Amino acid sequence: NAGVTQTPKFRILKIGQSMTLQCTQDMNHNYMYWYRQDPGMGLKLIYYSVGAGITDKGEVPNGYNVSRSTTEDFPLRLELAAPSQTSVYFCASSTPGYTYNEQFFGPGTRLTVL
Amino acid sequence: EDQVTQSPEALRLQEGESSSLNCSYTVSGLRGLFWYRQDPGKGPEFLFTLYSAGEEKEKERLKATLTKKESFLHITAPKPEDSATYLCAVTNTGNQFYFGTGTSLTVIP
Repeated sequence: NAGVTQTPKFRILKIGQSMTLQCTQDMNHNYMYWYRQDPGMGLKLIYYSVGAGITDKGEVPNGYNVSRSTTEDFPLRLELAAPSQTSVYFCASSTPGYTYNEQFFGPGTRLTVL
Repeated sequence: EDQVTQSPEALRLQEGESSSLNCSYTVSGLRGLFWYRQDPGKGPEFLFTLYSAGEEKEKERLKATLTKKESFLHITAPKPEDSATYLCAVTNTGNQFYFGTGTSLTVIP
């Protein structure tokens, strides 16, 4: 199993450009998450999904969109990139259940908006 | 407002010098508290989940405990390979996850 994979690893965007961060997991996990991590700050939840076709907002959803058409993929869309979106983005997945199980994280995408 | 505070921000230990990391939290309806390890340039790696006050879990040199207001990650006789940032997170009944800013641990040989 590759686990959680993210592409690209690095990206530089100009202000106003758009892009999609890709996330794929091969563990058949129903739950998937997108976080951003800024220097000196904790991870902030952007969006999460409990299954294909179901998404919901996290703590910091503004400026982002998500979709979940398959169990495996959970892309994050940035529209009209702004310098404030410069960050490291992590995708994670977990199994559902009455109690919350561990989240498996991808290696991250480092995004710079200039 | 749900939040997580970790202390200290940074900790330097001699190899073999045991210590504890603190995670204090306020959350409306705690469903779980998590500890992760993060190495530079990598994603967090799961260590423990704790669900209720009084619960304890152990893994090698690490032991996590939980009270109604805080959690401790005890590191016994640490080795240089334990050097990393340790993250604490909580989840509430609204499916939201909140992470602390982490404790950067350096273990000196």
